Amino acid sequence: DTAVSQTPKYLVTQMGNDKSIKCEQNLGHDTMYWYKQDSKKFLKIMFSYNNKELIINETVPNRFSPKSPDKAHLNLHINSLELGDSAVYFCASSLSGRETQYFGPGTRLLVL
Amino acid sequence: AQSVSQHNHHVILSEAASLELGCNYSYGGTVNLFWYVQYPGQHLQLLLKYFSGDPLVKGIKGFEAEFIKSKFSFNLRKPSVQWSDTAEYFCAVSHSGGGADGLTFGKGTHLIIQP
Repeated sequence: DTAVSQTPKYLVTQMGNDKSIKCEQNLGHDTMYWYKQDSKKFLKIMFSYNNKELIINETVPNRFSPKSPDKAHLNLHINSLELGDSAVYFCASSLSGRETQYFGPGTRLLVL
Repeated sequence: AQSVSQHNHHVILSEAASLELGCNYSYGGTVNLFWYVQYPGQHLQLLLKYFSGDPLVKGIKGFEAEFIKSKFSFNLRKPSVQWSDTAEYFCAVSHSGGGADGLTFGKGTHLIIQP
């Protein structure tokens, strides 16, 4: 029944490693997003995809690379992880990019 | 560029008190407005939204918000809070002109309800 799901829920890793976070939505939406929530709870858009096409790419280091194999999935790959990447990453989806965004449960990333 | 200001970063109330959380946005065009709630350790859930029409919108759990265009405000209200309302509250806007715009969030208000 889960509308927007993310895996893993927790990710603890060493600096310099490469990791991926997966996101899937079963709502039939055509637009998906990645947000970063920092330690002060501030949420900021990172990327948005519409029909597998990148629409928004905010000022994010190119170590972050989103990949959308189909409309229902938007994965986030992070190369050469840094301490400052520690945060909670939320995936979201919406219909046509204009409607309400539904958020996943978040992935708590801790880089040691 | 859009921006959202939430003036109250931390609010502490007693149960049954009335709540009003301020939200102002900065954007020259037409916007969609949202309030999301994040309970401890959980994901964001939509409380209510305004796209058009009646500027007074009612959401879940007894929350409501009023869009005042002249003041660029979308304040959240609840007449009587409960202990279970303890959470982080986020105001957000998006451009209503279409496209896959992300939401621009305020910095959030941490609400603590004391029993």
